[in-house]
Amino acid sequence: QSVLTQPPSMSAAPGQKVTISCSGSSSNIGNNYVSWYQHLPGTAPKLLIYENDKRPSRIPDRFSGSKSGTSATLGITGLQTGDEADYYCGTWDSSLNVVMFGGGTKLTVL
Amino acid sequence: EVQLVESGGGVVRPGGSLRLSCAASGFSFGDYGMTWVRQAPGKGLEWVSTINWNGVSTGYTDSVKGRFTISRDNAKHSLYLQMDSLRVEDTAFYFCARVGYTNYGMDVWGQGTTVTVSS
Repeated sequence: QSVLTQPPSMSAAPGQKVTISCSGSSSNIGNNYVSWYQHLPGTAPKLLIYENDKRPSRIPDRFSGSKSGTSATLGITGLQTGDEADYYCGTWDSSLNVVMFGGGTKLTVL
Repeated sequence: EVQLVESGGGVVRPGGSLRLSCAASGFSFGDYGMTWVRQAPGKGLEWVSTINWNGVSTGYTDSVKGRFTISRDNAKHSLYLQMDSLRVEDTAFYFCARVGYTNYGMDVWGQGTTVTVSS
């Protein structure tokens, strides 16, 4: 079981907005930057958000990130069927000295 | 084009060894830390190991400490993962990734290579 907690699954209709949460502690999210990844099984994961709220240039602004205290959130607006994927948060844990990922959230766009 | 290409995966018996390689191109490899991440069947992403830009500093998840060794050859633009004493639970898809941002934000990923440990 991951130290970073995400909802296992979420679903929303095309065009709608979804927010995916990632809950941790002071040793990880509370004092370190959070990244978010999109992963389709069998393909390379893709970085969506880094340093809590920054987007790589190739990532559309439909994707956003935020952090408050020991929790982080990924927001996706204008959902498309192509957004169906697994989404993971990730960060460094300063107490355990490990990189950690959340358990992942399977997003269904229906 | 910035690219990472893994190789070296395969099928091995429990207790056996494999050496994964990750060939980098399109960027100054020696300027970046690198990581290995795996995904076991039906499971999520799991961090395996990290190495800093010059190979001096490394880190491992507890389950592979003492069995896996990460290394790099900056002259060859290559990252490696030597996996010894393999266990069935090491079966996974292994990705290499570039550490591009603070606190291990991984901005470039390879397509991965499959490791199957089975008797």
